[in-house]
Amino acid sequence: AQSVSQHNHHVILSEAASLELGCNYSYGGTVNLFWYVQYPGQHLQLLLKYFSGDPLVKGIKGFEAEFIKSKFSFNLRKPSVQWSDTAEYFCAGVNNNDMRFGAGTRLTVKP
Amino acid sequence: ETGVTQSPTHLIKTRGQQVTLRCSSQSGHNTVSWYQQALGQGPQFIFQYYREEENGRGNFPPRFSGLQFPNYSSELNVNALELDDSALYLCASSFGRAGANVLTFGAGSRLTVL
Repeated sequence: AQSVSQHNHHVILSEAASLELGCNYSYGGTVNLFWYVQYPGQHLQLLLKYFSGDPLVKGIKGFEAEFIKSKFSFNLRKPSVQWSDTAEYFCAGVNNNDMRFGAGTRLTVKP
Repeated sequence: ETGVTQSPTHLIKTRGQQVTLRCSSQSGHNTVSWYQQALGQGPQFIFQYYREEENGRGNFPPRFSGLQFPNYSSELNVNALELDDSALYLCASSFGRAGANVLTFGAGSRLTVL
């Protein structure tokens, strides 16, 4: 069955720490991958996406993600987090109009 | 450009009742997708409408139904409400039929079933 899983439910970091949030997918065939973010009190919005080509994709606010096909992973990274990165992060994959989201990872950045 | 708007923002229903949720898509978008987000979980795909026709459906029973109107706004109808239907219902719009298009989400309608 197609699925997306996020292993970290809640991550707490201090400002300037490096971030890596895990995402694994289980899809047959071609999959397009996304990271969406929901800041407190705001709507879900796109952080970055991977369709094809360079497996290292860059998004807004200094975030990047690497598609590793052999590991079925699409981990999100940021070298140095800020307090304003406090939010919930969702990984998602889509194949044939069937979009699946992970359960989300809540990131708390302490000033 | 206007974003995605949903109504109502909150509502309470009792088991067995029916509910209709509404969504206005972002200007220029012709596709609407609906998601159910239970507490502590990610959004789950209910269905998608493209140009007034259903264009994909997740693992939800037939009592979850929808419509898309000529102006691309949409409704989600849920009949015979069950306690487990309590959730945040998200609407997202996009342009084009492909499921890989970027979604613009609304704030959601929070449904409580008692």
